[in-house]
Amino acid sequence: DSGVTQTPKHLITATGQRVTLRCSPRSGDLSVYWYQQSLDQGLQFLIQYYNGEERAKGNILERFSAQQFPDLHSELNLSSLELGDSALYFCASSAGQGLGYTFGSGTRLTVV
Amino acid sequence: AQSVSQHNHHVILSEAASLELGCNYSYGGTVNLFWYVQYPGQHLQLLLKYFSGDPLVKGIKGFEAEFIKSKFSFNLRKPSVQWSDTAEYFCAVMVGNAGNMLTFGGGTRLMVKP
Repeated sequence: DSGVTQTPKHLITATGQRVTLRCSPRSGDLSVYWYQQSLDQGLQFLIQYYNGEERAKGNILERFSAQQFPDLHSELNLSSLELGDSALYFCASSAGQGLGYTFGSGTRLTVV
Repeated sequence: AQSVSQHNHHVILSEAASLELGCNYSYGGTVNLFWYVQYPGQHLQLLLKYFSGDPLVKGIKGFEAEFIKSKFSFNLRKPSVQWSDTAEYFCAVMVGNAGNMLTFGGGTRLMVKP
């Protein structure tokens, strides 16, 4: 157990639907990062939050959004889902600048 | 923008063979460098990291990596691999002006045959 908790572990949904992925960072970590891992794109950075505020944005589609709540957990919302959104979505947390990340176990999203 | 290249996509070795996985990055400034490992069905785990100082970094499970600034490289090595090292290995770079963001290479799948 890395200390970063992601739920659910698996999600199967239909095209056009909306899902919410949840991440609880390791205790004391203020930064949360979301990554998408797919066979063709590898690990792609989506977005970072630090203490409730968006800090950096990567290759995140407009159909996707995220937020970090006062208790520091984060949610990634994926809407108007397409088959190509099927992937592993990882959350990671960090205690501070340059310290590296601790990853959660991921949520495997399958869009059918 | 910075990028990370891992030239070996798949590597197959026998137990006790030596391992070297290549990693090159493109960024001219100060970087922090990382190697992560992802065992089948598991999350990414940090193997080792380089921030500054001795360019030869030792990590967990007998892995080490050498930072060669002139070559923009951070290759991962292990003198003698075990079957349990079968996993996917990711090199990553973090630059200070990128919001603490890690940019990952495409990964190298290592299979160790018993």
